[in-house]
Amino acid sequence: DSGVTQTPKHLITATGQRVTLRCSPRSGDLSVYWYQQSLDQGLQFLIQYYNGEERAKGNILERFSAQQFPDLHSELNLSSLELGDSALYFCASSVGDRAGEQYFGPGTRLTVT
Amino acid sequence: DQQVKQNSPSLSVQEGRISILNCDYTNSMFDYFLWYKKYPAEGPTFLISISSIKDKNEDGRFTVFLNKSAKHLSLHIVPSQPGDSAVYFCAASNRGGSTLGRLYFGRGTQLTVWP
Repeated sequence: DSGVTQTPKHLITATGQRVTLRCSPRSGDLSVYWYQQSLDQGLQFLIQYYNGEERAKGNILERFSAQQFPDLHSELNLSSLELGDSALYFCASSVGDRAGEQYFGPGTRLTVT
Repeated sequence: DQQVKQNSPSLSVQEGRISILNCDYTNSMFDYFLWYKKYPAEGPTFLISISSIKDKNEDGRFTVFLNKSAKHLSLHIVPSQPGDSAVYFCAASNRGGSTLGRLYFGRGTQLTVWP
């Protein structure tokens, strides 16, 4: 158990809908990262937050947004969903804001039908 | 643009033998490298890391070697055990750069250790 929790574990929704994925980092970790893993791709970095502020951005679509709250949990919002958004979404956390060991949650499997 | 590549999608090794997983990268600004292990239905688990100022790091049965001139790293598992069967991801980062905490992952290698 990495100490990172993600909810929900599974999500099935229709195209055009909007969903919110939630992540609670390990106790003491200030950075939260979001990654997407689809079948034909490896783990793709989406975005990093550190202590409530956006720190680094990857290949995140404009339809996607994230935030980190004062209690350090984070939410990833996916809107106008398309079939291609079906993937595993992982949250990870770390103590600092520089790349180092990141601890991953179990992931949320999103299926868009 | 895949900056970290794992060219072998799978590797099969007998229990007790050495497993060698390989990884290549293209970005010379990468200065920190990590290996993760992933079991089905779980998130990736951190295994071992190496800074670009070193060429070897060891932790128990796991050793990572870094060859900066070749932009290549490898993970050695000795001896291999059936419980090591998992997908192994190589990851790289530029700690000193603007990408901060971002990790660049390879697509993974499925390791199967058979008795």
